[in-house]
Amino acid sequence: NAGVTQTPKFQVLKTGQSMTLQCAQDMNHNSMYWYRQDPGMGLRLIYYSASEGTTDKGEVPNGYNVSRLNKREFSLRLESAAPSQTSVYFCASRRDLDTDTQYFGPGTRLTVL
Amino acid sequence: KQEVTQIPAALSVPEGENLVLNCSFTDSAIYNLQWFRQDPGKGLTSLLLIQSSQREQTSGRLNASLDKSSGRSTLYIAASQPGDSATYLCAVRPGTGANNLFFGTGTRLTVIP
Repeated sequence: NAGVTQTPKFQVLKTGQSMTLQCAQDMNHNSMYWYRQDPGMGLRLIYYSASEGTTDKGEVPNGYNVSRLNKREFSLRLESAAPSQTSVYFCASRRDLDTDTQYFGPGTRLTVL
Repeated sequence: KQEVTQIPAALSVPEGENLVLNCSFTDSAIYNLQWFRQDPGKGLTSLLLIQSSQREQTSGRLNASLDKSSGRSTLYIAASQPGDSATYLCAVRPGTGANNLFFGTGTRLTVIP
């Protein structure tokens, strides 16, 4: 089992460019999550998907869109990147809403110039 | 809004020493609290989870305690080893059982051989 995988590992964008961060899990989990981690701040939830076909906003959703492509994959899209979106992005999954162990991917380090 | 604080931000100890990491939270109405480990450039690994009705959890050399009424948790690491060097994060799940985890900013631990 690969667990939770994320691509790319690193990315540099210019302001206004768009990109999609990919996440996949092979644990047959129902719930998937996108977080961002900034220096001096804890991880903050951007969006989550409780199950295939559903998505909900988290604490900091502005400037992002998500797609739960199927049970395995959950992508995060930046339509028009801004320097404030420079961060490390983590994807996570867990079996369902009632289980508490979240499994995290290795992260994507994004820099917006 | 729940706020989670971890002090100190960084800690260095000689190998073999016992140590305590602290986590405090502002809203005592929590569902559970988790401790995670994060290695540089890696995702988060769940170490211990304490339900709101529990006082402590143990795994090997790790012991986590929870005092919900005072809004505090500690992670005790016995006989520290260089391999314990990492950033330790605590995260609180709100009492409503909501999906959002509120993370602290972490304590970066260095165990000196």
